[in-house]
Amino acid sequence: AQSVTQLDSHVSVSEGTPVLLRCNYSSSYSPSLFWYVQHPNKGLQLLLKYTSAATLVKGINGFEAEFKKSETSFHLTKPSAHMSDAAEYFCVVSDGGGKLIFGQGTELSVKP
Amino acid sequence: NAGVTQTPKFQVLKTGQSMTLQCAQDMNHEYMSWYRQDPGMGLRLIHYSVGAGITDQGEVPNGYNVSRSTTEDFPLRLLSAAPSQTSVYFCASSRQGHGSYNEQFFGPGTRLTVL
Repeated sequence: AQSVTQLDSHVSVSEGTPVLLRCNYSSSYSPSLFWYVQHPNKGLQLLLKYTSAATLVKGINGFEAEFKKSETSFHLTKPSAHMSDAAEYFCVVSDGGGKLIFGQGTELSVKP
Repeated sequence: NAGVTQTPKFQVLKTGQSMTLQCAQDMNHEYMSWYRQDPGMGLRLIHYSVGAGITDQGEVPNGYNVSRSTTEDFPLRLLSAAPSQTSVYFCASSRQGHGSYNEQFFGPGTRLTVL
């Protein structure tokens, strides 16, 4: 069975500093992995997805994630945080049949 | 395209009342699903559909019914609301019934409170 664990429920950074949101996954086969972002009182928006084409995946708004099979990780990074990045971020794995399995979420706060 | 739309945005029910949450998409997506979001638990799949006339249960289906008579619409019915169903409900759609790589598009959500 597939599962995903987000290692931090809350991350706080200062504007202009790097962002690291950690995600570990469990999958019995080569997984499809996603990061979604949810701004307050909004729906979810896809940031990026890993589909085995490349281990370093670039997404929208300067975010990227690296798939590391040996570590079963798919951490999300951004070199320089912006105030507008404050949101909740979800690491997601697909079960292979189209169903998504969500992590618990990481709330990112950005201080001025 | 309007994308995925959900109505209502907010709803307050009393225990035992029934209601239907509406979801529609105009992208001709085959796959549609309903999730509930609770604090600290991410999103959990309630029911999903891989096409008109086909539905199946997700992780937390109890207390909810769905049907899929058209490609566009996928309503979620609460037959007898309970306080445990207080949550934010999201509808999503994607193309292809079993496309692992396909992005799911989410609606804006319905915030439901059951008293």
